[in-house]
Amino acid sequence: AQKITQTQPGMFVQEKEAVTLDCTYDTSDQSYGLFWYKQPSSGEMIFLIYQGSYDEQNATEGRYSLNFQKARKSANLVISASQLGDSAMYFCAMREDTGRRALTFGSGTRLQVQP
Amino acid sequence: GAGVSQSPSNKVTEKGKDVELRCDPISGHTALYWYRQSLGQGLEFLIYFQGNSAPDKSGLPSDRFSAERTGGSVSTLTIQRTQQEDSAVYLCASSLGRTGGSGYTFGSGTRLTVV
Repeated sequence: AQKITQTQPGMFVQEKEAVTLDCTYDTSDQSYGLFWYKQPSSGEMIFLIYQGSYDEQNATEGRYSLNFQKARKSANLVISASQLGDSAMYFCAMREDTGRRALTFGSGTRLQVQP
Repeated sequence: GAGVSQSPSNKVTEKGKDVELRCDPISGHTALYWYRQSLGQGLEFLIYFQGNSAPDKSGLPSDRFSAERTGGSVSTLTIQRTQQEDSAVYLCASSLGRTGGSGYTFGSGTRLTVV
């Protein structure tokens, strides 16, 4: 069963506007972590934000915030005040804290910021 | 080193040849991961090393793929008798092996092309 689902293959947003990238996950673990990474055309994987399953408050890192709804098993990324440099692939990932500690990735969303 | 180093950055090989991909993790990081990213796709887990424990090889797609990690540091991913479907970017990541965010650092990857 797919553990991380990103239903938006591509998204467009106007510069300076906010955008939400969707991510749902599936796990039976009580302890897990959720991550968002940005992959520009250069191919590097850039860590953006992390949310632990026991964190009660939504994580924020600058213009990035993670809308964590545990009961709905969703971990959407919100980017405020989009910039042209935000154009990239965005991946949601999960680490289950029992067993293997490797990240499981979604299929990604390609975000294009338009001037 | 300051980051995760992978070599070579690009590799073109003929079908049927063996290739070795190298990953040099961040010093002190006990966990090391190999992922594969096919064109336009998400990251697919291959193998995970944690300290001196037996590696988790559950993601290796076939017995043509193997990996080792010497002295708890440098890792080599070997693909024998390469096939065209092996063409992808191979990414290595390392972490301290603890729970928590931002702990996974990715290398820039090796782009493998099998012709």
